[in-house]
Amino acid sequence: GENVEQHPSTLSVQEGDSAVIKCTYSDSASNYFPWYKQELGKRPQLIIDIRSNVGEKKDQRIAVTLNKTAKHFSLHITETQPEDSAVYFCAAPSSGGSYIPTFGRGTSLIVHP
Amino acid sequence: DAGVIQSPRHEVTEMGQEVTLRCKPISGHNSLFWYRQTMMRGLELLIYFNNNVPIDDSGMPEDRFSAKMPNASFSTLKIQPSEPRDSAVYFCASSLQTGRTEAFFGQGTRLTVV
Repeated sequence: GENVEQHPSTLSVQEGDSAVIKCTYSDSASNYFPWYKQELGKRPQLIIDIRSNVGEKKDQRIAVTLNKTAKHFSLHITETQPEDSAVYFCAAPSSGGSYIPTFGRGTSLIVHP
Repeated sequence: DAGVIQSPRHEVTEMGQEVTLRCKPISGHNSLFWYRQTMMRGLELLIYFNNNVPIDDSGMPEDRFSAKMPNASFSTLKIQPSEPRDSAVYFCASSLQTGRTEAFFGQGTRLTVV
């Protein structure tokens, strides 16, 4: 199976600051790493993902970096805005052929205006 | 496509009653997941179906929980009998290729057992 650890559990920043959330995984065979955003009372939705053949991917103010050697990947949000406030989840697939996505415990990001 | 559709959105039931949650995955997706979300335990995988076949049900808490997927467009999660500790938000999600592509979540069912 896969063990995914996510840190920090809560993150409070001022509007305009950057936010970084990190996840570590245990299965070296994992090759797909998504990040989901869940606003209060809503469903988790994909915001960015990365595959193991690249080290970084950017989409406007968000980016994900992957270090396969160290088995960790991080979400970076620059120029944070109040609407970025949400819970963010990382996920990594388990091995053994089933590739079931295992989610981290989530990071509650609060952006203060 | 309307996305993953779950029903009901909210369910309040008395302890001991049977509860059935329903899910319609996105057409063409071959993987379907049931997750339970609580503050204490986060997003827990309950069961995973691939091509309508249950592949991993190790997350199902106990025999009171059961899930079925009779065809590619419908799945149910049943709790019988329900208990207050089952109160949570239950999400159904589907993906085109598990673990390699995005999982699309339904709106969730908020279950309250009193």
